[in-house]
Amino acid sequence: SAVISQKPSRDICQRGTSLTIQCQVDSQVTMMFWYRQQPGQSLTLIATANQGSEATYESGFVIDKFPISRPNLTFSTLTVSNMSPEDSSIYLCSVEVTGGAPSAGEQYFGPGTRLTVT
Amino acid sequence: GNSVTQMEGPVTLSEEAFLTINCTYTATGYPSLFWYVQYPGEGLQLLLKATKADDKGSNKGFEATYRKETTSFHLEKGSVQVSDSAVYFCALSDQGGSYIPTFGRGTSLIVHP
Repeated sequence: SAVISQKPSRDICQRGTSLTIQCQVDSQVTMMFWYRQQPGQSLTLIATANQGSEATYESGFVIDKFPISRPNLTFSTLTVSNMSPEDSSIYLCSVEVTGGAPSAGEQYFGPGTRLTVT
Repeated sequence: GNSVTQMEGPVTLSEEAFLTINCTYTATGYPSLFWYVQYPGEGLQLLLKATKADDKGSNKGFEATYRKETTSFHLEKGSVQVSDSAVYFCALSDQGGSYIPTFGRGTSLIVHP
């Protein structure tokens, strides 16, 4: 199993500012994922982050707005830039469960960062 | 493309009632199916899974059976507790694709004493 922590757990920010969210895993993992969960909505994948390469962004998300770093196999950051109230969401990081085909598609999730933009 | 449809919530039950949360899916190939649970203030955690047709996943009294003929994976529990109050997400992962799961919208369950 993997234990994932995120910082901060919550924050209230003013529009136009930026917030960097940290995600720490207790073991080395190849792929890390960042999701957004808007109130009452499902999870939307923002990007996939592999160590040593540029993050891969999903449709509707761009690097200028959500820059991601992945400096090593246990850590990643997501920055929400130039925030607006529409960015108010829970941001979740996750990692794949390793173990081959029987575990394919399983993920471990961090506790989330609850962001409110005023 | 892949998609997951869950019943609308919230589902409100009394303690010890029977629970069903419906989930249907659309996928190419033969996906794996999952139920995740999100307790208040926490991230998602895997509740149960099934990797092929007719498999039954079970955990903590919850069960779901992979029904290929009806493309469904309904979550059931015979007797819910107040501590089961949470949001439940159905998800699939296409074995022939990237393995990144597709999630349903989530169904909130509220259990009253």
